[in-house]
Amino acid sequence: DQQVKQNSPSLSVQEGRISILNCDYTNSMFDYFLWYKKYPAEGPTFLISISSIKDKNEDGRFTVFLNKSAKHLSLHIVPSQPGDSAVYFCAASPMNEKLTFGTGTRLTIIP
Amino acid sequence: GAVVSQHPSWVICKSGTSVKIECRSLDFQATTMFWYRQFPKQSLMLMATSNEGSKATYEQGVEKDKFLINHASLTLSTLTVTSAHPEDSSFYICSARVGASGVSYEQYFGPGTRLTVT
Repeated sequence: DQQVKQNSPSLSVQEGRISILNCDYTNSMFDYFLWYKKYPAEGPTFLISISSIKDKNEDGRFTVFLNKSAKHLSLHIVPSQPGDSAVYFCAASPMNEKLTFGTGTRLTIIP
Repeated sequence: GAVVSQHPSWVICKSGTSVKIECRSLDFQATTMFWYRQFPKQSLMLMATSNEGSKATYEQGVEKDKFLINHASLTLSTLTVTSAHPEDSSFYICSARVGASGVSYEQYFGPGTRLTVT
């Protein structure tokens, strides 16, 4: 049972435009959500997080939106840069428990 | 801050031998560390949760006698793959959780270890 789903395995975006990565979850006990960026043969890098008491969190070019009623979160990257090309994983966790990762979305920024 | 290292980054071993992978939190103390495995083009699969000073908690389907985890200090956890077989070849990643219970959920990941069993 895949509790965290990223339905788009890949996404291509023109440099300078907005990248929107989506994530859906099924477990209503999840109350903390994170986005990680991963390059091949490297460990994931933490990008941004959001708790269930918020619906938006912003950090520089990265903004995460949470829609609890729809059990959906998204990561917006604007403007997109070539260095943003990587695989992005969303992850979710109930309070202070283990993370459950999505299957990842490969983002390619086209110069 | 929140740097996690892994050693080795890449190892090749013969079938039947054992391999130890170290995970260190360099600039913080981690009461909880996690071990993941990633197959090509797949998500990170949690293998076990390692708590300092106590036995690791393994996920369903993970053989605890094959994947030995030791978390002897607040900055070091080790994963030993015993009697390795080619199907154990994978990318192993550790992470450490920053902050006390309920304070922070972020996990910071090590760079990963590529294990190839011949």
